Amino acid sequence: QSALTQPASVSGSPGQSITISCTGTSSDVGGYNYVSWYQQHPGKAPKFMIYDVSKRPSGVSNRFSGSKSGNTASLTISGLQAEDEADYYCSSYTSSSTYVFGTGTKVTVL
Amino acid sequence: EVQLVESGGGLVQPGGSLRLSCAASGYTFSNNWMTWVRQAPGKGLEWVANIKQDGSEKYYVDSVRGRFTISRDNAKNSLYLQMNSLRAEDTAVYYCARAVAAAGLDYWGQGTLVTVSS
Repeated sequence: QSALTQPASVSGSPGQSITISCTGTSSDVGGYNYVSWYQQHPGKAPKFMIYDVSKRPSGVSNRFSGSKSGNTASLTISGLQAEDEADYYCSSYTSSSTYVFGTGTKVTVL
Repeated sequence: EVQLVESGGGLVQPGGSLRLSCAASGYTFSNNWMTWVRQAPGKGLEWVANIKQDGSEKYYVDSVRGRFTISRDNAKNSLYLQMNSLRAEDTAVYYCARAVAAAGLDYWGQGTLVTVSS
């Protein structure tokens, strides 16, 4: 149950697009379409942003999109805004019937 | 409005026990899997355990299996985490969260801090 691998930090200027990767194995990310993404601002609980790889819950901006290729999932934030500055975590269902989170990525808006 | 409110956190000595509770409201509690997630100070999220709607299935991360027990009381709309043989590395904010089938965790509580220290 090793954590999924994410880059420690990603940055971009307002209006730009950024992509956060989330790499696992065939026993988690690559084996199931149950990848989700969470946004967490300092001192706050995580917020549900993407599920089933690419679906957005009601109320989440369409600037957020998800995808997957093989053992790597990705979250893209387009039209980057100041309020997008936060930590982002991916998560995947695993072959052990458990879940695993990614290592987390700090997004900085320059 | 869906609300999840954790309680029961605090300071405990290594080897001690603590029971966390999560009170759910605003939806039919018995319809969803429930999950505990923790976050050590300054660290990332860690999935801890989950439990099926009727309590018949429970799963744990390796690091807590045999020490922690997840349970629920659908009549009281409550989720629990019994934590025994606590270690310093169990120090974290513990969140309860509602699962949306296998898709993810759509509602989270505000968290309760557990500190394991002598």
